[in-house]
Amino acid sequence: GAVVSQHPSWVICKSGTSVKIECRSLDFQATTMFWYRQFPKQSLMLMATSNEGSKATYEQGVEKDKFLINHASLTLSTLTVTSAHPEDSSFYICSATRPGQGFNQPQHFGDGTRLSIL
Amino acid sequence: DAKTTQPNSMESNEEEPVHLPCNHSTISGTDYIHWYRQLPSQGPEYVIHGLTSNVNNRMASLAIAEDRKSSTLILHRATLRDAAVYYCILRGPRGSNYKLTFGKGTLLTVNP
Repeated sequence: GAVVSQHPSWVICKSGTSVKIECRSLDFQATTMFWYRQFPKQSLMLMATSNEGSKATYEQGVEKDKFLINHASLTLSTLTVTSAHPEDSSFYICSATRPGQGFNQPQHFGDGTRLSIL
Repeated sequence: DAKTTQPNSMESNEEEPVHLPCNHSTISGTDYIHWYRQLPSQGPEYVIHGLTSNVNNRMASLAIAEDRKSSTLILHRATLRDAAVYYCILRGPRGSNYKLTFGKGTLLTVNP
């Protein structure tokens, strides 16, 4: 079964509103989670690394004030798209790796959140 | 991150084997070769990974060249549910925090 849960699955909202997406690790504690964005017909682009108890690390070109990440507990990271506009419409995906495991272990992904800004 | 090269697309018939190639000529000795797949409108799903030896699991097999500069993901009997984008990704100490860097992947079409 799923080990990473993402909510909501899809959201439609008006331009200018803020949208929060939740990512939960279901049966393990994740000190690190990752947020990706995927536009139609394109590959996943890493947006940021979410670190429990500290600030997120953003990839180059990603606006940290636009995409707020909070990793307040070992099982929950949230991504808030602030003042969303139509160009923010995309498929947002989170992932996590079980703690203490190295590069020879899989990363677990949520099912993604389809965000549509009208 | 070390780069991988995959064909943009491949086509297969249902119940036939599929061999998905991946080139990674700049792989380092500590890089693991990971494969993920993404079905339409879903998050990626782990398929298999390996370091030097060939690997088998319930989903697929991974054949790794002796010089490790290429690998092949083998689906022994393709089904319609195997239609997806398959990503070959190197994962190792270079970079940080275990992050994955996705390329364009190979879009696999399975014909009934």
